[in-house]
Amino acid sequence: EAEVAQSPRYKITEKSQAVAFWCDPISGHATLYWYRQILGQGPELLVQFQDESVVDDSQLPKDRFSAERLKGVDSTLKIQPAELGDSAMYLCASSFGGNTEAFFGQGTRLTVV
Amino acid sequence: GIQVEQSPPDLILQEGANSTLRCNFSDSVNNLQWFHQNPWGQLINLFYIPSGTKQNGRLSATTVATERYSLLYISSSQTTDSGVYFCAVYGGSNYKLTFGKGTLLTVNP
Repeated sequence: EAEVAQSPRYKITEKSQAVAFWCDPISGHATLYWYRQILGQGPELLVQFQDESVVDDSQLPKDRFSAERLKGVDSTLKIQPAELGDSAMYLCASSFGGNTEAFFGQGTRLTVV
Repeated sequence: GIQVEQSPPDLILQEGANSTLRCNFSDSVNNLQWFHQNPWGQLINLFYIPSGTKQNGRLSATTVATERYSLLYISSSQTTDSGVYFCAVYGGSNYKLTFGKGTLLTVNP
């Protein structure tokens, strides 16, 4: 069964360091989402790609966060420098596009110390 | 943007009881999904339901798009049903997927 792959599963980093997360969507899925979920809250959209283009990054803290999907397949989300408040679960999802069903990966749990 | 409200925020049941979780949304949506978040944090798809009713075993969902709400029914609950249930809606020209804050369900033996 096709799955969204994310790595690493867990990451501990020191404040002010750089950290990167990787996501490989289900094959053929044109839409890719990155979400951040703080403990006890619902997921919040950081960035949405359609193929290699960003279609929504209105909630992405652009002074420290960046995201790319260069060939319209896998994607990387980077934080530099990391802050204590960035500790959260980072979730990636993909869909064929439009309002088709989205599927999520297992997430990366980030702890900033 | 679209606002998604889920109720109740917390629900405690005894095993075998039935429950109804509600999701209200503030504007017209293109589609709606229900998820269950497992203890490891992964979101598991339950239903993809723009309108009407769907059933999967002990779970069923109904969406009334014209009245901007969806309901998730859990019958004969089991301890393994415990966890957080999220509603998410697709809205806007880019089909942005917006989540509610979730309902934390605890099923006691």
